[in-house]
Amino acid sequence: AAGVIQSPRHLIKEKRETATLKCYPIPRHDTVYWYQQGPGQDPQFLISFYEKMQSDKGSIPDRFSAQQFSDYHSELNMSSLELGDSALYFCASSLEGNNEQFFGPGTRLTVL
Amino acid sequence: AQSVTQLDSQVPVFEEAPVELRCNYSSSVSVYLFWYVQYPNQGLQLLLKYLSGSTLVKSINGFEAEFNKSQTSFHLRKPSVHISDTAEYFCALDTGRRALTFGSGTRLQVQP
Repeated sequence: AAGVIQSPRHLIKEKRETATLKCYPIPRHDTVYWYQQGPGQDPQFLISFYEKMQSDKGSIPDRFSAQQFSDYHSELNMSSLELGDSALYFCASSLEGNNEQFFGPGTRLTVL
Repeated sequence: AQSVTQLDSQVPVFEEAPVELRCNYSSSVSVYLFWYVQYPNQGLQLLLKYLSGSTLVKSINGFEAEFNKSQTSFHLRKPSVHISDTAEYFCALDTGRRALTFGSGTRLQVQP
């Protein structure tokens, strides 16, 4: 069965640079979620989209923005990167009305 | 606001011994509860979920969890663990917003 795809899997950036993470949900899933997992920490909800509209917002810094496109894939844009942004970024998808979220393998971002 | 508390950060156990990973939650509204497993350098995999109905839920690999509303708990148990069960286990809740709130995780270390 198709799973959630995230790209890139690993990304290394310098401070103050920008990064774009991509997420391709499971086919027919209309809802996408982004989570950030710092080293040794639990995942923290950042933002979610349903049918290309932002549906909920968590602890996402103002330097970050995200959107969901017409094909339901989503991109997380991160600007003015800081050392503390180094983390594993997960994308999850679900079908509206279904409480089960399916997680991608994550993108490991390292900021030097 | 809701929260999830995993009381044990690490649980060492010998192979074939029983194990219980504890999870307590706090919420002013009804919740859906989940256990996710994360193997080293991998994403989150759904282990089992409680949405409604029977308070005892089981996974295909021998884990089970019981939703206890009066004690606000959702402890995870397995009667006999294997080396391959070594992983990080996260308890999570959803209040219907779809954004998951995770506990801090419990590292299960199965020793031969």
